[in-house]
Amino acid sequence: EDKVVQSPLSLVVHEGDTVTLNCSYEVTNFRSLLWYKQEKKAPTFLFMLTSSGIEKKSGRLSSILDKKELFSILNITATQTGDSAVYLCAVGYPPQGGSEKLVFGKGTKLTVNP
Amino acid sequence: DTEVTQTPKHLVMGMTNKKSLKCEQHMGHRAMYWYKQKAKKPPELMFVYSYEKLSINESVPSRFSPECPNSSLLNLHLHALQPEDSALYLCASSQDDRGLPQHFGDGTRLSIL
Repeated sequence: EDKVVQSPLSLVVHEGDTVTLNCSYEVTNFRSLLWYKQEKKAPTFLFMLTSSGIEKKSGRLSSILDKKELFSILNITATQTGDSAVYLCAVGYPPQGGSEKLVFGKGTKLTVNP
Repeated sequence: DTEVTQTPKHLVMGMTNKKSLKCEQHMGHRAMYWYKQKAKKPPELMFVYSYEKLSINESVPSRFSPECPNSSLLNLHLHALQPEDSALYLCASSQDDRGLPQHFGDGTRLSIL
């Protein structure tokens, strides 16, 4: 069975700390791995990774994919209280060659205290 | 605010009611999706529409009936729902059904009495 596993499930840090969120996957016909940030409403797209070893960066956030070891990490440096959210990892794949599906991990709930 | 608009934001209905959830996007995307998200759980795919045709139905009960009247609109018709159907219903769209990322709306929070 295809699955996406995130760790830790919950993390509490202080402002200014650096955090690393993990996502491992076992998905047939893997095509891409995506990171989303979800506060109270819509998951907001952060990164999409398709190639191993290429870091994607946006401000204080960065992410990298290892297709050999089947995992990805999301780094957040100099955390701020506004980074508090659930971070979702999702893997995209086309079952039986049809429309692409996203399978989500359970998410990491990050709390940044002032 | 997101570029995928969902209405209503909140909906309370009885088990015998019929209601509809609406989703609209004007990004020219040709794939649209319905997800169900229970509290403290990740989104779970329900349906995928590609070029206005249903391409994936994740064995969703028939009390949920999707409809895609045109490439910008996606509806979810609800009838005879159960209390366990209470959840956040998220709509998403992408360039096409092979295109990522998917962009999500803010969702409709549905409560079944």
